Amino acid sequence: GAGVSQSPRYKVAKRGQDVALRCDPISGHVSLFWYQQALGQGPEFLTYFQNEAQLDKSGLPSDRFFAERPEGSVSTLKIQRTQQEDSAVYLCASSRLAAYSNQPQHFGDGTRLSIL
Amino acid sequence: AQKITQTQPGMFVQEKEAVTLDCTYDTSDQSYGLFWYKQPSSGEMIFLIYQGSYDEQNATEGRYSLNFQKARKSANLVISASQLGDSAMYFCAMREREYGNKLVFGAGTILRVKS
Repeated sequence: GAGVSQSPRYKVAKRGQDVALRCDPISGHVSLFWYQQALGQGPEFLTYFQNEAQLDKSGLPSDRFFAERPEGSVSTLKIQRTQQEDSAVYLCASSRLAAYSNQPQHFGDGTRLSIL
Repeated sequence: AQKITQTQPGMFVQEKEAVTLDCTYDTSDQSYGLFWYKQPSSGEMIFLIYQGSYDEQNATEGRYSLNFQKARKSANLVISASQLGDSAMYFCAMREREYGNKLVFGAGTILRVKS
């Protein structure tokens, strides 16, 4: 399809395991964002890429969280040594332009991560 | 202080009637944008409408309109002629030039349309 694609849709992991979440943005979109959405709350910003450059990682909650976008398209969010508080929906979004603008961010369906 | 405040945790509206979802925001930036997103129970975030801080006219997109009152720092979403498919969570979000491209979201309002 033409939208933002995330995989897996659901992920269950045991506490302490590492997980990797994938995001395929809309083709040609320069900007890519990761958000974390806890149950019953609004999404919270994690990190932002402009092409392959990670320009803002101010929202990453700890050094266990790592994101990359090596070729400026697909992005992976990795969480090491998962904790129960990492349980949430992880949303990826992309937008066409790089600069601040009125362009909306288009979101994927998210990955629901459950840590047991 | 909350950047985005949505004071209505839940709202009910009768099918075919209009409904207003409230959103107030806090910023010292002169250049910012306000967005509304819809999130059905299936989880996807759907972009509805955008209002820029310098836009003089209220934004409209089909049945959606934004009642933008800059001095009051409010950006309420108006949905006209409600449909059963409008039942969802609605989020107001802001992007400030000072903080780049990231969106800051409110806590959301659950809307239920009654037949």
